[in-house]
Amino acid sequence: GQSLEQPSEVTAVEGAIVQINCTYQTSGFYGLSWYQQHDGGAPTFLSYNALDGLEETGRFSSFLSRSDSYGYLLLQELQMKDSASYFCAVRSLDSNYQLIWGAGTKLIIKP
Amino acid sequence: DGGITQSPKYLFRKEGQNVTLSCEQNLNHDAMYWYRQDPGQGLRLIYYSQIVNDFQKGDIAEGYSVSREKKESFPLTVTSAQKNPTAFYLCASTPLREETEAFFGQGTRLTVV
Repeated sequence: GQSLEQPSEVTAVEGAIVQINCTYQTSGFYGLSWYQQHDGGAPTFLSYNALDGLEETGRFSSFLSRSDSYGYLLLQELQMKDSASYFCAVRSLDSNYQLIWGAGTKLIIKP
Repeated sequence: DGGITQSPKYLFRKEGQNVTLSCEQNLNHDAMYWYRQDPGQGLRLIYYSQIVNDFQKGDIAEGYSVSREKKESFPLTVTSAQKNPTAFYLCASTPLREETEAFFGQGTRLTVV
């Protein structure tokens, strides 16, 4: 079957760096996406990795290792507005290319 | 501005009632999706549609129905057969089936009273 695991909650300090990990199990892996969701809001797309390595977009970076079935989202220079839930999602042949979502990581930022 | 509009934002359903959630997009996207989100959980796919007049069941389609008569519109009906409908419902779209970025509406929070 398919599954994704990510920590349920991460706490960090404003201005610091935090890493949110995601491990997945699936066949016919196609790509790993990251989304941000503020309480009561809609998910918004952050990044997508199909190949191994690091993708950087401003303060956010995402990494993928296909051989380890592992990825992470790295948030730098944390701001209070980054307090949100972060979801990893996998697209695979198993899911007929539809996104399969992790349960989300709630990021708590302290001043 | 282009985007996805879901309505209503809040919806209350009595036991045994069918209710319909609206989703309209003006992004000219081919594929549209309905997800259900429960507290502390990820998104679960209910139905998706890649072209007009065609749709596919997702992982939790039981108790739900959809239609795709127009490219812009993908309404979801929560039927009385859905025994636990209280949840946050999200509609999304992508230009093509395998596009990496999904665009979401603001969601409808459905509560059974």
